[in-house]
Amino acid sequence: QVQLVESGGGVVQPGGSLRLSCAASGFIFSSYGMHWVRQAPGKGLEWVAFIRFDGTDIYSVDSVKGRFAISRDNSKNTLYLQLNSLRLEDTAVYYCAKDPGSRDSSGYYPGDWGQGTLVIVSS
Amino acid sequence: QSALTQPASVSGSPGQSITISCTGTSSDVGNYNLVSWYQQHPGKAPKLMIYEVSKRPSGVSNRFSGSKSGNTASLTISGLQAEDEADYYCCSYAGSSTWVFGGGTKLTVL
Repeated sequence: QVQLVESGGGVVQPGGSLRLSCAASGFIFSSYGMHWVRQAPGKGLEWVAFIRFDGTDIYSVDSVKGRFAISRDNSKNTLYLQLNSLRLEDTAVYYCAKDPGSRDSSGYYPGDWGQGTLVIVSS
Repeated sequence: QSALTQPASVSGSPGQSITISCTGTSSDVGNYNLVSWYQQHPGKAPKLMIYEVSKRPSGVSNRFSGSKSGNTASLTISGLQAEDEADYYCCSYAGSSTWVFGGGTKLTVL
C-alpha cells in the first residue's frame, strides 16, 4: 500500500533554511502529483504546494512564494520541500500527500498522507 | 486564497447524526466538484473520509456521507460512535492547481 515517510524537520532560527524529504513507496511515484500540507501547533491544515507528476509544473500558496520550493526526484521516489527565509509562523508539522489524479490531471486532492515532520522556527 | 468556513465545534450523542458545513465561494466550493473531507485524531495524520463531494474511499464506513449545494459542502455522520470524536477538515480545489482548507471542526461525542 501507499507509504509516505517525511524527514528533515528540526529546530531552525528565523531566516534559516531546511530541506524536508518525503520518501514514497507502494505506488508508481513518477505517475502522480504530490502535495505538501502543513499544520501549525493547535491550528488547522494549510495547503502549501503541489507538483505535477513530472515536476514540470509547481504551485504554492501565496504566503510561501519566493521562500519555499517544492521539487521531486522520480529516480529516488522522493519529494522535497526547500524552506528558506523561515519565519516564526512557519512553525508547523509538514505533511506530504499523494494526489490520486492521473498523469494528465492538474490535481484533485491530497489523498494518502504521511505522518509528518515537525519544523520549529525559534531563536 | 481565504480559508473555507467551518463551525468550530459540533457535538452529538451516540447513535445520533450530525452535519458539518463548509462554506466557500464561487471560486472554489461552488465551482468544482472537488471537495474532500478529512478526519484527524489528536497527534495523528489526517485521513481521507470523502472525496469529490460525496465519494467514500474503500474502508470508510458508510455512516459518513458528503453533499454540496452552491458554495456550501456538508459532511454528515450518522449513527455517531465514540471513535468518531476527532477534528474534521474540508478541502476544496480552488483552480490553477491550488487548494484551500477549512478551519476545522471539533466533533465531540457526548
